[in-house]
Amino acid sequence: EAGVTQFPSHSVIEKGQTVTLRCDPISGHDNLYWYRRVMGKEIKFLLHFVKESKQDESGMPNNRFLAERTGGTYSTLKVQPAELEDSGVYFCASSQVRLTGNTIYFGEGSWLTVV
Amino acid sequence: AQTVTQSQPEMSVQEAETVTLSCTYDTSESDYYLFWYKQPPSRQMILVIRQEAYKQQNATENRFSVNFQKAAKSFSLKISDSQLGDAAMYFCAYRSAANFGNEKLTFGTGTRLTIIP
Repeated sequence: EAGVTQFPSHSVIEKGQTVTLRCDPISGHDNLYWYRRVMGKEIKFLLHFVKESKQDESGMPNNRFLAERTGGTYSTLKVQPAELEDSGVYFCASSQVRLTGNTIYFGEGSWLTVV
Repeated sequence: AQTVTQSQPEMSVQEAETVTLSCTYDTSESDYYLFWYKQPPSRQMILVIRQEAYKQQNATENRFSVNFQKAAKSFSLKISDSQLGDAAMYFCAYRSAANFGNEKLTFGTGTRLTIIP
């Protein structure tokens, strides 16, 4: 079974440009999460999808970030325009919707460097 | 809001020895979950071990075990018989049990573990 896959694995862009990160969750997982780790700091929650609906987007830093989940399958996270402080690792995770005992599966992360 | 603190940015241990990674957290909730995740270089972050706060017994998974001290809000990870494959970034994480369907995790800053051959 394929795990959570993220693309691109690394991206270097100039300040002001746009970048789109993609996440393919594990098949059948309705929950999809985006997290971000700025270097040296903790991993922070960005948002949570249940299928195609945004359940919780309280962690989104500002309106330069736009997340979508088309048809409840893959998700994209667009940063436009990118700023220097957006550099970091963006993690995607997915899980099934269950009562308890759920396991969250993470991707390898997309490393973003804004120069 | 909950916070998770990992006070050891880096740790190293000789192969086959035992190492303990520290984690403390702050919460006003009584029911929650605690996790240790491991991220090897350029690889996926994977769950190492989890602990339900209502369970007094410390969780164990083969060479990995935790020391869960609820009153002290401490959740340390012990790795016994360290192996080269244990080298990774280790993250401690907290999740509230209050929100069904939302497994939002609060992470610490991580501890980079190096295994010395």
